[in-house]
Amino acid sequence: QVQLQESGPGLVKPWETLSLTCTVSGDSISSGKSYWGWVRQPPGKGLEWAGSIFYTGSAYYNPSFKGRVTISVDTSKNQFSLKLSSVTAADTAFYYCARVSSSVPRDYFDYWGQGTLVSVSS
Amino acid sequence: DIQMTQSPSTLSASVGDRVTITCRASQHIGPWLAWYQQRPGKAPDLLIYKTSTLNAGVPSRFSGAASGSEFSLTISSLQPDDFATYFCQQYETYQTFGQGTKVEI
Repeated sequence: QVQLQESGPGLVKPWETLSLTCTVSGDSISSGKSYWGWVRQPPGKGLEWAGSIFYTGSAYYNPSFKGRVTISVDTSKNQFSLKLSSVTAADTAFYYCARVSSSVPRDYFDYWGQGTLVSVSS
Repeated sequence: DIQMTQSPSTLSASVGDRVTITCRASQHIGPWLAWYQQRPGKAPDLLIYKTSTLNAGVPSRFSGAASGSEFSLTISSLQPDDFATYFCQQYETYQTFGQGTKVEI
C-alpha cells in the first residue's frame, strides 16, 4: 500500500521560506513510474496544485506561484521536498503531497498524504 | 490557464437521492478530468479519472460523464458516507481544480 507522509514546521514567519518533506513508503520514487507533487488547500477553500517532480529532478511548477516554489527529490531517502519562499498570510494552508498516477507530469493524483497545516504568522 | 467552474457550490440532499455535480472547463480538455471526494479533515480521495473510469474500490453508484466541455459526477443513490465535498480536476494542461461542491443533508 502506497503511503505518503508530510513533515515540517507548522508555523512560518512572514517573508521566510516554508519547507516541507514528503516521505514515501510502499513505492519507490526512483522506479520512474510516477511524478510526485504538492497540492495545497487554504482552510475552507479549494485545492491548488503547486508543482510536481520526477525522480530525475525534472520539475514542473504552477506559474501562479511566480517562481516562489522549488521542489527537489532525494531518491536515497525516498523523499521529495517543497520550498516556498517569501511567504505571506495567503500561503497559510494545508499542504498535501501526492503521487501522480503516471510518468507524465500532467495526470491525476492517485495517492495522497494526510496533509499538514502550515500557518504563516509572526 | 484552464479554469474549472464547478456547480453548485453547495447541494442539500437526502439519503437515497440522485445527485449530479457539474464542472465546466474554460478550454478543451479532452477526457482528462478526474473527480475527488474529500471528507472533513481528510485528504482528497480519487473517485473517477479520465471522465468516467471508476478508481478501484469506488462503489458503482458513482459515475462520470461528459457533454462537450461540461463534465458531470452523478451519485445514483446517496448514502450517509457520501456527504462530503467533491472536486473536479483537469489534467490536460498541468492540473487545475474546481472550487468544490459540498453535499450536505
